[in-house]
Amino acid sequence: DGGITQSPKYLFRKEGQNVTLSCEQNLNHDAMYWYRQDPGQGLRLIYYSQIVNDFQKGDIAEGYSVSREKKESFPLTVTSAQKNPTAFYLCASTPPNRAESSYNEQFFGPGTRLTVL
Amino acid sequence: QKEVEQNSGPLSVPEGAIASLNCTYSDRGSQSFFWYRQYSGKSPELIMSIYSNGDKEDGRFTAQLNKASQYVSLLIRDSQPSDSATYLCAVKLSGGYQKVTFGTGTKLQVIP
Repeated sequence: DGGITQSPKYLFRKEGQNVTLSCEQNLNHDAMYWYRQDPGQGLRLIYYSQIVNDFQKGDIAEGYSVSREKKESFPLTVTSAQKNPTAFYLCASTPPNRAESSYNEQFFGPGTRLTVL
Repeated sequence: QKEVEQNSGPLSVPEGAIASLNCTYSDRGSQSFFWYRQYSGKSPELIMSIYSNGDKEDGRFTAQLNKASQYVSLLIRDSQPSDSATYLCAVKLSGGYQKVTFGTGTKLQVIP
């Protein structure tokens, strides 16, 4: 089955810990994104990557880091520097040649819900 | 002024009625507009995209775009209880890579 997978579905973090959220896609999509969603708020862009070995900060990158070593994978690390990490984290991707066009449809994975204990 | 604005709702409609969801955006350079449906606890699902003025129909869904008024709407005909969800409006600027900006969503409740 083709699609975007995220793991784990639920993640609990203690104060001061770094945690890594996984995002994998087998759709041959080029661009990948990480968003954060808080209750009653829209999606906010954390990082995005248009090609392998390249990524850019979004609107709220502080306290987060990413890597893009493979086209299929775009993991997000939530570091201890992120002061309020409890949120729903969503990974998305865009079909080839669409990210820089007007037709930038984004397709989302199922999400990871992170809670700080 | 927010870049993308939606009424948070909830918007309640009886089953079988037409639900009308509205979205306004601030940047006149915006070229691409998307509607996502998000069930509680789930991720957003793309249901419609529209790029030019006018109407675009797909099954029970119609997206309407008016760039002069900076307004995009989604109509759901013959609303069903399974349509009860939060609907997110998203807008993208033209030219190169530009981020997609999401509204906070309108919660729709379809009453049986």
